[in-house]
Amino acid sequence: DVKVTQSSRYLVKRTGEKVFLECVQDMDHENMFWYRQDPGLGLRLIYFSYDVKMKEKGDIPEGYSVSREKKERFSLILESASTNQTSMYLCASSFQGAVETQYFGPGTRLLVL
Amino acid sequence: KQEVTQIPAALSVPEGENLVLNCSFTDSAIYNLQWFRQDPGKGLTSLLLIQSSQREQTSGRLNASLDKSSGRSTLYIAASQPGDSATYLCAVARTYKYIFGTGTRLKVLA
Repeated sequence: DVKVTQSSRYLVKRTGEKVFLECVQDMDHENMFWYRQDPGLGLRLIYFSYDVKMKEKGDIPEGYSVSREKKERFSLILESASTNQTSMYLCASSFQGAVETQYFGPGTRLLVL
Repeated sequence: KQEVTQIPAALSVPEGENLVLNCSFTDSAIYNLQWFRQDPGKGLTSLLLIQSSQREQTSGRLNASLDKSSGRSTLYIAASQPGDSATYLCAVARTYKYIFGTGTRLKVLA
């Protein structure tokens, strides 16, 4: 079974802190994704990576950056956390290809005070 | 711009009832459509993936249909159980990018 793990289930940070969210997948997937999920807005794509060191902006990249140094690991970085980044963050991975299933991690609920 | 809508936003049914969840999308140029289940505070679990060339997919008590020309998909759940209570999301993909609906929150009453 595909396993996608995220480093924290719950996280509380203060405004202005630098925040790192880590995601690891064990299925040798080329693609990895970071989404945020907010009530009434659904899931929105922040960043996407299709290979090591490769990334593309999603719909809402402002205030975020990403890092993919190894194929299995995709990190989301909040450079200076703000209260409007309080959200549920979901990582996903998939094989390359247009019809591949995305597999999701359990999510990290981030609260920025 | 692709938009995905799910109606109703919430649904309560008695145990044993057959039910249909709806998903509509505005741009029919999609590669696939996927249905997910999300339990409270958890990640998403893939239920069914329908490729654009397919009309339906089945898994156990679940059946998903796709009508690309009308921009619609339905998820049929037979003989619903309390364990089916969750939020169900549909997502459409063109290339790597999925666009998600906001989900239908289902509660099956024992």
